Amino acid sequence: SQQGEEDPQALSIQEGENATMNCSYKTSINNLQWYRQNSGRGLVHLILIRSNEREKHSGRLRVTLDTSKKSSSLLITASRAADTASYFCATDASGATNKLIFGTGTLLAVQP
Amino acid sequence: DTAVSQTPKYLVTQMGNDKSIKCEQNLGHDTMYWYKQDSKKFLKIMFSYNNKELIINETVPNRFSPKSPDKAHLNLHINSLELGDSAVYFCASSATGIKNIQYFGAGTRLSVL
Repeated sequence: SQQGEEDPQALSIQEGENATMNCSYKTSINNLQWYRQNSGRGLVHLILIRSNEREKHSGRLRVTLDTSKKSSSLLITASRAADTASYFCATDASGATNKLIFGTGTLLAVQP
Repeated sequence: DTAVSQTPKYLVTQMGNDKSIKCEQNLGHDTMYWYKQDSKKFLKIMFSYNNKELIINETVPNRFSPKSPDKAHLNLHINSLELGDSAVYFCASSATGIKNIQYFGAGTRLSVL
C-alpha cells in the first residue's frame, strides 16, 4: 500500500499543552503537506514543507521534515479546544502529476 | 460563497440503484479530484481531471464514472451500488503548479442499504 502512516492514531491532551503527531511515508517526494479535518467536514490545508526544507513555522504550527528517514512531524503549541480534529499528512510524489497520498491520520482531542 | 461545493450532503439508497454526486468549484482551478474516505478515515484518490481531461484513474470499479463538463465541474456517477460503496466522497480542486495545495468540499456521505 502507498498509504503513509501516522502516529499516534489518537491523542488526547489538555488545553494549553503541546500536541505532536508524526508521519512516515514511502516514496521520494516534492513536498509534504498537513491537513486538518473537523468532524463531518472536508479537509483544510494547514501548511506545506518542500523536500529541501527541514523546518517550517506557521502561527502555532511547526513542521519538520527528515527526508532521509522519510518522516515528518507536526507540532501544535498551546493547544485549544478548537484544535480538536483529525490531522493528515499528504505527500506529493516526485514525478507524479497532482497526486497526493494521504496518511492514516491522527485524531486529536483537546480537553478544555 | 463556498469555494468547493458538492451535492447532496447525504445520500441514502438501496443496493443496485444508480446515483450521482455533483461538484462545483469557483476558485478558478483547473484540476479537480474525487476521493473516497472509508469508515477508518483512510482517504484515497479515485479520479483527477485537468481541464476536462482525465489524468488520474486509480483502480476503481467501472461502476464509477466521472464526468467533467467544464473545468469548474466534476460529477461522479455510480451504477449498481453495492454495500461496500458506503463511504464519504470528497471532491477537491487545485491549481496546476508545483505546490498542489488542494481545497476540499464538505463531503457526501453515501449509505447503501
